[in-house]
Amino acid sequence: QMQLVQSGPEVKKPGTSVKVSCKASGFTISKSAVQWMRQARGQRPEWIGWIFVDSGNTNYAQNFQERVTITRDMSTSTAYMELSSLRSEDTAVYYCAADKGDHSGLFIRWGQGTLVTVSS
Amino acid sequence: QTVVTQDPSFSVSPGETVTLTCALNSGSVSTSYHPSWYQQTPGQAPRTLIYSTNIRSSGVPDRFSGSILGNKAALTITGAQTDDESDYYCVLYMGSGIWVFGGGTKLTVL
Repeated sequence: QMQLVQSGPEVKKPGTSVKVSCKASGFTISKSAVQWMRQARGQRPEWIGWIFVDSGNTNYAQNFQERVTITRDMSTSTAYMELSSLRSEDTAVYYCAADKGDHSGLFIRWGQGTLVTVSS
Repeated sequence: QTVVTQDPSFSVSPGETVTLTCALNSGSVSTSYHPSWYQQTPGQAPRTLIYSTNIRSSGVPDRFSGSILGNKAALTITGAQTDDESDYYCVLYMGSGIWVFGGGTKLTVL
């Protein structure tokens, strides 16, 4: 079964960082682009950024440019999204998505989501 | 700033056809934006229905179709079913590696 499996829920304090993982199971993401987005309760989805897994090249949304780092580990078919300097407004469900292995960046296969709660 | 706009809500009766749209505040949506549509019910992961304007994802029923209508991307559900009651989002590729999501349409089928 081809799926993206994300890491579990996180509770973080303001000012700290969170790192969410997204592991491909049943397929490889070696030729894919992996996207990250988030959705806070009652809000529209926000695009965070993406990574081309083979080259490691990334592109980030302007709103997250200074706080986000997206990486990957090709040996484990896993992508990571790290967000720093967390604030309460970062409380949201974070999703990864992969394309069909064609570098298109299209959101084809989705992870199950990771709830990140930022609270003092 | 680029804003992608969707109708906040729509209500249809079972069996009816409904078209949801996705517009830009600054110009027309074309195939160059590779509009995609996904369905999401509360607490569940998104499910992509349509990508690159009109390509149906694997396993998606053919009552879902995508197109460009005038200056907007469109998702048409032909013969809506009660199971189609959900939130629907579009996402557009703006070029230069930038993607933007719409605000979503809440579809009620009753």
